[in-house]
Amino acid sequence: KAGVTQTPRYLIKTRGQQVTLSCSPISGHRSVSWYQQTPGQGLQFLFEYFSETQRNKGNFPGRFSGRQFSNSRSEMNVSTLELGDSALYLCATSASDTQYFGPGTRLTVL
Amino acid sequence: GENVEQHPSTLSVQEGDSAVIKCTYSDSASNYFPWYKQELGKRPQLIIDIRSNVGEKKDQRIAVTLNKTAKHFSLHITETQPEDSAVYFCAASPSTASKLTFGTGTRLQVTL
Repeated sequence: KAGVTQTPRYLIKTRGQQVTLSCSPISGHRSVSWYQQTPGQGLQFLFEYFSETQRNKGNFPGRFSGRQFSNSRSEMNVSTLELGDSALYLCATSASDTQYFGPGTRLTVL
Repeated sequence: GENVEQHPSTLSVQEGDSAVIKCTYSDSASNYFPWYKQELGKRPQLIIDIRSNVGEKKDQRIAVTLNKTAKHFSLHITETQPEDSAVYFCAASPSTASKLTFGTGTRLQVTL
């Protein structure tokens, strides 16, 4: 099976802009979770989607949002970007067992 | 919510020695405990996981132990090799496909 894919791999944005990241899960995986990884805060859970519904949510402001499509692909959006949003954004997908991570999208906010 | 503490933050061992990384968690509802290895510039990769109905699990040179009463779990790597050098993360979750709460990571360096 093909692994988890994320696009784009790298993004550079300026403060105030918005960004949309995409995650395509392993075939058959219906759960998609998003994580933010930074040197200071480590790996932090953003949200999880299952069957197009948000099932869990972390402690991030409302500027961070997501959605899931009927084919289980997921997108996350960050509006009004701040310098502190610079991070590696990872998605992880799961059937009913282990979570498998994608390669991540490296977002730099200038 | 869940809080996971991980120690040590850095660990240096000589090739062939054993390495032990320890984690504690706070939420007694957590029942799934995976360990991920992340090499520089790469994605986290699962190396072993354990569920609350099991006290120990082993896979070749890697083993994990879980003490639910004390709320701690540990990763043991025996006969370490240079390719074991990476950052290791523990995590805890109330189920196998929901929110993972991660520890802060342990940078393991295996020296020749």
